[in-house]
Amino acid sequence: QVQLVQSGAEVKKPGASVKVSCEASGYTFTRYGMHWVRQAPGQRLEWMGWINAGNGNTKYSQKFQGRVTITRDTSASIVYMDLSSQGSEDTAVYYCARGIDSDVYQSLDHWGQGTLVTVSP
Amino acid sequence: DIVMTQSPDSLAVSLGERATINCRSSQSLLYTSNKKNYLAWYQQKPGQPPRMLIYWASTRESGVPDRFSGSGSGTDFTLTISSLQAEDVAIYYCQQYYDTPQTFGQGTKVEI
Repeated sequence: QVQLVQSGAEVKKPGASVKVSCEASGYTFTRYGMHWVRQAPGQRLEWMGWINAGNGNTKYSQKFQGRVTITRDTSASIVYMDLSSQGSEDTAVYYCARGIDSDVYQSLDHWGQGTLVTVSP
Repeated sequence: DIVMTQSPDSLAVSLGERATINCRSSQSLLYTSNKKNYLAWYQQKPGQPPRMLIYWASTRESGVPDRFSGSGSGTDFTLTISSLQAEDVAIYYCQQYYDTPQTFGQGTKVEI
């Protein structure tokens, strides 16, 4: 069965970067896209960006352009999300979610368990 | 960005009764070349990630009970739970994937 397992919770100082990983199993990794979505406390879900796990193409939300980088390691079936220059407003649960195919314009059929990132002095 | 607005923000429904959640988008989600509406519905329970229930506005995801159904086209969509069960208590979100950034509604909390 499809599984997405994310790395553990992080606590970061303002201005620092965080790198969250998402290890995929149970399907052909390169045939699908992977999206990153975050949820700040009491807020709606917020889409951050996507990577085509096959060819490595990426697309990011303008809101995070320049601060977020999504990469993948096809040999290990892992997708990474790197967010730099964090502020307190970046405190959130970060999710990876698989698209129903490789294209960015797809719904999200499997989700990781979430990674809590806390930004605090 | 496409703005997604859900109504109501919360609703209380008796067990076995119907629950209806509405979602409106700020622009049409119907892609005319393939006649598909780029709209999905998710269920989120406390401490869990979202679970996809419906995609293409009305296609039920595998394993989702048939009491969940989606309808609508263009800018107006509805998620219906035909006979509410205790395990359906959750927050429900609509999402558009017609354009990037993908955007979500604010959520509708369903209670008994």
